[in-house]
Amino acid sequence: GNSVTQMEGPVTLSEEAFLTINCTYTATGYPSLFWYVQYPGEGLQLLLKATKADDKGSNKGFEATYRKETTSFHLEKGSVQVSDSAVYFCALGDNYGQNFVFGPGTRLSVLP
Amino acid sequence: EAGVAQSPRYKIIEKRQSVAFWCNPISGHATLYWYQQILGQGPKLLIQFQNNGVVDDSQLPKDRFSAERLKGVDSTLKIQPAKLEDSAVYLCASSSGGFTEAFFGQGTRLTVV
Repeated sequence: GNSVTQMEGPVTLSEEAFLTINCTYTATGYPSLFWYVQYPGEGLQLLLKATKADDKGSNKGFEATYRKETTSFHLEKGSVQVSDSAVYFCALGDNYGQNFVFGPGTRLSVLP
Repeated sequence: EAGVAQSPRYKIIEKRQSVAFWCNPISGHATLYWYQQILGQGPKLLIQFQNNGVVDDSQLPKDRFSAERLKGVDSTLKIQPAKLEDSAVYLCASSSGGFTEAFFGQGTRLTVV
């Protein structure tokens, strides 16, 4: 079945450092890929998405490119801020049944 | 646009008791999901509805969990009887289908003691 693998956390960075959170997936067909973010005490929010190969999703300085050849959707940000501290979830949406499958999440802490 | 509404926000029950959660999805969204998120883990899909029909309930522990979506709008998830390991946040989400994302409610935090 469909599955998502993320790099283990927690990740601790200093403000303005470069961020990469790795995500790889296994799926049948051509899924849509998503990054969700969960800030402390809040619900899950969509951060960005990509619906086909080579698409780049971007939002709030974060980017991720849908790489079909490597089945990856790594999240990157050039300069993180303290306010980016949260848990980040990579997710896969099966376009046939819209079965959203989530990775285990990566906790990011950004220190001033 | 109103988001996904869930209630209650918090619930504490004793093991072997029953509990129910309610979800009202975004208006017009045909797809509704219930997820279980145990502390420190990613959300796990329990059941997915398309309108009022079940699309996937393969990970729903059917001996104790049940869910319904009458009239294809709001939904309830019930646990009877509850076990200690059911302590988690129960998330409801909805989607309009196709290539769109799922929108999540704030969740219900269940503690079973």
